[in-house]
Amino acid sequence: GDQVEQSPSALSLHEGTGSALRCNFTTTMRAVQWFQQNSRGSLINLFYLASGTKENGRLKSTFNSKESYSTLHIRDAQLEDSGTYFCAAELYQGGSAKLIFGEGTKLTVSS
Amino acid sequence: EAAVTQSPRSKVAVTGGKVTLSCHQTNNHDYMYWYRQDTGHGLRLIHYSYVADSTEKGDIPDGYKASRPSQENFSLILELASLSQTAVYFCASSGTTNSDYTFGSGTRLLVI
Repeated sequence: GDQVEQSPSALSLHEGTGSALRCNFTTTMRAVQWFQQNSRGSLINLFYLASGTKENGRLKSTFNSKESYSTLHIRDAQLEDSGTYFCAAELYQGGSAKLIFGEGTKLTVSS
Repeated sequence: EAAVTQSPRSKVAVTGGKVTLSCHQTNNHDYMYWYRQDTGHGLRLIHYSYVADSTEKGDIPDGYKASRPSQENFSLILELASLSQTAVYFCASSGTTNSDYTFGSGTRLLVI
């Protein structure tokens, strides 16, 4: 939605290369999550960050709550990394934590 | 293995008909959610629940009802299906923090 802006909307990478995806928030968020939607349409939970940096294999994510943005870095991209990557901001509202999703970055990795 | 299971996987419904989408989780999570995803877009929250026998409206609740009869089960009900409700619907569950957010595989709904 309007509160979560993802860029770029689409990205093409060759195998073995890397890039960064960005998520900007228009308001203060408690935390951010990153999901990958694979070719079958399944949503896979990649990272949950309330602050700082997390790394898992070839993926690394950071969350800068003061400047209201998060990044997802992909290095040494593989064909199976293709899919759509969504960031979701955690907003505390009405006594519970809601997730507000961005529109996604469609990543295509080619050989 | 803990999981979120949705049924049916896909459905074709007639305009004006009633549709019920089901979700079952074995994660022992308190929170459950229903989202819709339109082609090429992100997910939008329809309804959610943090305890059995209670549901809350999300961001786009109009035209949808939800039911949480037990901790494990959460249903989404379209009383009068409309063409605009054609979408993929995802159920999810989470614990007290969202770090363990788990999605089901989705239900592809086509209203004709």
